[in-house]
Amino acid sequence: GAGVSQSPSNKVTEKGKDVELRCDPISGHTALYWYRQSLGQGLEFLIYFQGNSAPDKSGLPSDRFSAERTGGSVSTLTIQRTQQEDSAVYLCASSLAGSNEKLFFGSGTQLSVL
Amino acid sequence: KQEVTQIPAALSVPEGENLVLNCSFTDSAIYNLQWFRQDPGKGLTSLLLIQSSQREQTSGRLNASLDKSSGRSTLYIAASQPGDSATYLCAVLNSGYALNFGKGTSLLVTP
Repeated sequence: GAGVSQSPSNKVTEKGKDVELRCDPISGHTALYWYRQSLGQGLEFLIYFQGNSAPDKSGLPSDRFSAERTGGSVSTLTIQRTQQEDSAVYLCASSLAGSNEKLFFGSGTQLSVL
Repeated sequence: KQEVTQIPAALSVPEGENLVLNCSFTDSAIYNLQWFRQDPGKGLTSLLLIQSSQREQTSGRLNASLDKSSGRSTLYIAASQPGDSATYLCAVLNSGYALNFGKGTSLLVTP
């Protein structure tokens, strides 16, 4: 596609429910990143994929968070048993080959946990 | 741990003015530094990327400089326009894959 696509753009869920967020990177980009932006906070790194593998999961805040990438393309970020502190904008980005290049971001998924 | 600070947090200028946004970082062992723009409700758009071996990058009315030894970068915007109103974010890459972001400067350019 022309850019990084994320869905849904908005998600409202109840505390304790599981949610799945989807990211479709720019075609041909092998590197994919998930970041989280909380109100009043800077962007927080969550996870990085190179192809289908995730060499760096260091940013995932708890074991309720997981992510996968299939076919070297689409990625899903899953949050189990959501908590109110999970409310944030979840941003996905991709780059052509690695982290020493420009990152292209999607518009994000606004997650609200009630 | 890398810490990135952006000053000022907010800035309002009249149209046509030249302006400078500042970014400082505590760990000078960086691979690159990127400046991004974020419009309300939108994702980030990469404006300029400066590799650690470079001193500056230019794109149109934007010029970004990098002084690794002092841990500073500036983003210069010439002849500002209302369409430049946005939040500008500075991010540095040390080892690994994670960009460390500042909290941004919110810029308002008034007609």
